[in-house]
Amino acid sequence: AQSVTQPDIHITVSEGASLELRCNYSYGATPYLFWYVQSPGQGLQLLLKYFSGDTLVQGIKGFEAEFKRSQSSFNLRKPSVHWSDAAEYFCAVGAREKAAGNKLTFGGGTRVLVKP
Amino acid sequence: DTAVSQTPKYLVTQMGNDKSIKCEQNLGHDTMYWYKQDSKKFLKIMFSYNNKELIINETVPNRFSPKSPDKAHLNLHINSLELGDSAVYFCASSPLRTGEGGELFFGEGSRLTVL
Repeated sequence: AQSVTQPDIHITVSEGASLELRCNYSYGATPYLFWYVQSPGQGLQLLLKYFSGDTLVQGIKGFEAEFKRSQSSFNLRKPSVHWSDAAEYFCAVGAREKAAGNKLTFGGGTRVLVKP
Repeated sequence: DTAVSQTPKYLVTQMGNDKSIKCEQNLGHDTMYWYKQDSKKFLKIMFSYNNKELIINETVPNRFSPKSPDKAHLNLHINSLELGDSAVYFCASSPLRTGEGGELFFGEGSRLTVL
């Protein structure tokens, strides 16, 4: 079974500074990988996804993530944070086996606070 | 048009009651899900349906019963509500079939509070 760890529960960053959110996964093969963002009181919005190919993927809102097989990681980055980026961020893993039923397993989330 | 819509958005009820949450998607997707998000924001899958057929049923008490009248709807009925059922319940849908991977499209959630 797959699992996801987001080591940082909270991160505080100044507006305009860079942001990196860590995600490590456990899975026997190359999984499908996702980053979602959840603003307060809202549902989850997909930022980006990795299925195959180029290990550096670009997403919406200026985010990017890099899949590193050797480290079982899929870290999310943004060069310059805006106040509107304050939210909860979730990394998720999807298995490739049909028996898994296309379910996504989520990490515990990282709450990002942006200082003016 | 809201792609995945859930009703109600907020639900406050007493222990022991029975309640339902409805979900509809207008994306034409074949697969729908229910996820539970607890007070610590942890998201866990409960059920998944593919074209009205149950394909994932995680370890969920049998007080929870999903019903899919058609592939655009997946409702969640909860009997004999307990305090621990208080959470935000998210409905989601996916365009791909079992095992093909693919992103999930989430509704805005239904916050259930059991008193």
